Amino acid sequence: DTAVSQTPKYLVTQMGNDKSIKCEQNLGHDTMYWYKQDSKKFLKIMFSYNNKELIINETVPNRFSPKSPDKAHLNLHINSLELGDSAVYFCASSQDFSGEQFFGPGTRLTVL
Amino acid sequence: KNEVEQSPQNLTAQEGEFITINCSYSVGISALHWLQQHPGGGIVSLFMLSSGKKKHGRLIATINIQEKHSSLHITASHPRDSAVYICAVFEYGNKLVFGAGTILRVKS
Repeated sequence: DTAVSQTPKYLVTQMGNDKSIKCEQNLGHDTMYWYKQDSKKFLKIMFSYNNKELIINETVPNRFSPKSPDKAHLNLHINSLELGDSAVYFCASSQDFSGEQFFGPGTRLTVL
Repeated sequence: KNEVEQSPQNLTAQEGEFITINCSYSVGISALHWLQQHPGGGIVSLFMLSSGKKKHGRLIATINIQEKHSSLHITASHPRDSAVYICAVFEYGNKLVFGAGTILRVKS
């Protein structure tokens, strides 16, 4: 039973499109995160939610909008996709804000 | 300059060798994480520590809070240890900040 799952695993789309990535965790954790890993494999936090409330919102374009319908889900919606959005996006969760993090398998987004 | 610096960037070792990866950071932290990213892309948390030393199998992680430095050691390395090892620090009440990673290749 996968602890943190993401869908889809791969996403190829055209510039200008709107797309969503879904994340679900079955660990009963209170905190969830979205990270972006660029082409140089550097990880950077985008958003963090605790109990469905936005805690961290890094300097991410407002084309990116996270949504947490409940504690177990944190989805990422991206409007008007650009070439520079191509990356691997990882979802993660932790019991609380500074706890050990469990990562999803990643979603490789390619914008053409 | 990144708040978290790892060295070396790349490391090639022979099977059986003792390996050390270093991490230095410049901010106040509440905890430090060591992560492993497999060649397939998945990320696994190896250790989370805020003081002293932790051991899990052939992996040992140490941290010196005063010197703002942590090390990850792998004893009796094996080709299956080949991966990217990432140090990340949890800034007080804030967020995880990642190092650039160390690419380890263990040859048989």
